[in-house]
Amino acid sequence: NAGVTQTPKFRVLKTGQSMTLLCAQDMNHEYMYWYRQDPGMGLRLIHYSVGEGTTAKGEVPDGYNVSRLKKQNFLLGLESAAPSQTSVYFCASSYAAGRQYFGPGTRLTVT
Amino acid sequence: GNSVTQMEGPVTLSEEAFLTINCTYTATGYPSLFWYVQYPGEGLQLLLKATKADDKGSNKGFEATYRKETTSFHLEKGSVQVSDSAVYFCALKTYNNAGNMLTFGGGTRLMVKP
Repeated sequence: NAGVTQTPKFRVLKTGQSMTLLCAQDMNHEYMYWYRQDPGMGLRLIHYSVGEGTTAKGEVPDGYNVSRLKKQNFLLGLESAAPSQTSVYFCASSYAAGRQYFGPGTRLTVT
Repeated sequence: GNSVTQMEGPVTLSEEAFLTINCTYTATGYPSLFWYVQYPGEGLQLLLKATKADDKGSNKGFEATYRKETTSFHLEKGSVQVSDSAVYFCALKTYNNAGNMLTFGGGTRLMVKP
């Protein structure tokens, strides 16, 4: 089992560009999450999904969109990147209310 | 709303020193409490947890006790090793109909010198 994987590991964008981050899990988890990690602020939840075809907003959803077309994948999109979105992005998955398993992270820099 | 406050780091210790990282929380209801560890270049891993008052979570020599009266969940280890160098996050979880929501503290970086 690969667990939770994230693609890409690193990315540099110019302001206004768009991109999609991919999260994949092979544990048949129902729930998936996208967090961002900023210095001194811990992880903050952007969006989450409780099942295929469903998504919901977390604490800091503005500027991001997500899709869960397949149970194993959870995509995070930035339509028009801003420097404030420079961060490390973590994906996680869980069985319902159980333990969350985290991916290795994607480091995004927006210039 | 829920919140978690951790002591700011970095915390620098010599090998075999005693470690305490403070964590206090504010939450409605009765949350579960967690410590996660993040090693350099990796994602977060669950270190230990406690689900009710007076529970003690323990793993790899680390311990934390759920103190409802002081709303605290301090992380301790009696003798740290260089390999314990990492960032430690305290977190709480409350349950609602919409999801399995974790609230994190800001993280505390631990550096252990040989």
